[in-house]
Amino acid sequence: GIQVEQSPPDLILQEGANSTLRCNFSDSVNNLQWFHQNPWGQLINLFYIPSGTKQNGRLSATTVATERYSLLYISSSQTTDSGVYFCAVDRGDYKLSFGAGTTVTVRA
Amino acid sequence: DTEVTQTPKHLVMGMTNKKSLKCEQHMGHRAMYWYKQKAKKPPELMFVYSYEKLSINESVPSRFSPECPNSSLLNLHLHALQPEDSALYLCASSQVRRGSMNTEAFFGQGTRLTVV
Repeated sequence: GIQVEQSPPDLILQEGANSTLRCNFSDSVNNLQWFHQNPWGQLINLFYIPSGTKQNGRLSATTVATERYSLLYISSSQTTDSGVYFCAVDRGDYKLSFGAGTTVTVRA
Repeated sequence: DTEVTQTPKHLVMGMTNKKSLKCEQHMGHRAMYWYKQKAKKPPELMFVYSYEKLSINESVPSRFSPECPNSSLLNLHLHALQPEDSALYLCASSQVRRGSMNTEAFFGQGTRLTVV
């Protein structure tokens, strides 16, 4: 299957700070998603972004498919941004593969 | 509506019990999935149904038995589980395009299963 690497594994931020999370993947993909998993386990869809750039409020994402990486930007972080952020990819073959995640802690 | 609903949210079962997890979506998605997530790990794929037919089984032990009664419902039947099967079980669905390729996946809130 496709290998997915996320960095950094852990990130501690002061409220109001900006940050960048990275996702590298080992092969060409048809689908790429960013999720935020909250403390209750819910996986919340942030972006569906197999290529290009998207923005949603304080969050934005960029995928450079030819170079096999994606970036998630968090600006003006808030305590509610805390949680685990997952990148997941597949080839359109139903086998969505997840990276190990980045655990973000935002301190007030 | 992008909602996938799972019941129950929590389940405690003994090793000799039989129980079922349920998942429902009304987005018209024709692919449905079961994932298992252990603590501090990413979700791992267990089963995929496409057009109500089992298309992927990731070598899951037979004590887990999936069922897709119709295009909106997905069940996971559990029997003779072990304590190491305790985990968060996530259901997901996605649209199928061009007849065979999946698109964006949407996940339910999960069932937190404890086997005692």
